[in-house]
Amino acid sequence: DTGVSQNPRHKITKRGQNVTFRCDPISEHNRLYWYRQTLGQGPEFLTYFQNEAQLEKSRLLSDRFSAERPKGSFSTLEIQRTEQGDSAMYLCASSLGRERNTGELFFGEGSRLTVL
Amino acid sequence: GQQLNQSPQSMFIQEGEDVSMNCTSSSIFNTWLWYKQDPGEGPVLLIALYKAGELTSNGRLTAQFGITRKDSFLNISASIPSDVGIYFCAGQLRGGSNYKLTFGKGTLLTVNP
Repeated sequence: DTGVSQNPRHKITKRGQNVTFRCDPISEHNRLYWYRQTLGQGPEFLTYFQNEAQLEKSRLLSDRFSAERPKGSFSTLEIQRTEQGDSAMYLCASSLGRERNTGELFFGEGSRLTVL
Repeated sequence: GQQLNQSPQSMFIQEGEDVSMNCTSSSIFNTWLWYKQDPGEGPVLLIALYKAGELTSNGRLTAQFGITRKDSFLNISASIPSDVGIYFCAGQLRGGSNYKLTFGKGTLLTVNP
């Protein structure tokens, strides 16, 4: 399968614990995005990488959230000291980065987080 | 965060019927995309539109990029049960280095066989 891969698919944790999600983008894509989706809502932008550089962070990304893409390939999203409000589906997407194709973001299957 | 106005919120139709849904924004976008999402899965890209007035088809799906660049619609013809899911519109403002998408809240489609 050559699509965007995310793991774990599901994570249940207790409030206050740290969690980490991983995203492997489509191999030739240099842009990588993290989105958060809560029930009944569309995905909301969290942060964006071009290669290894994190170029934009949303105000939704509190200081408990950190994302990395150390070698410009896979990315991790860590949430420290989780709160119940962090419960959501965390989606990763990647795109080619060429002018015409930059609108075509391809999403992974998501990592669903439940904070008890 | 900012979201697009997508309507209707939900639709219940009979198999074989045509469906139309639309998306409006107070801001101009220069790319519109339509995605479909099944429960517990990520959104899957259906159609991408890059030019105002553009009309694009993908099988039974047809989408148009509004001439004002502030709206788009998606039509599904001759619906089938596997069309069930949530359809999202997304707008993109290209320029600079970030090409993030702004999503609507989705239209939930139910198809009765």
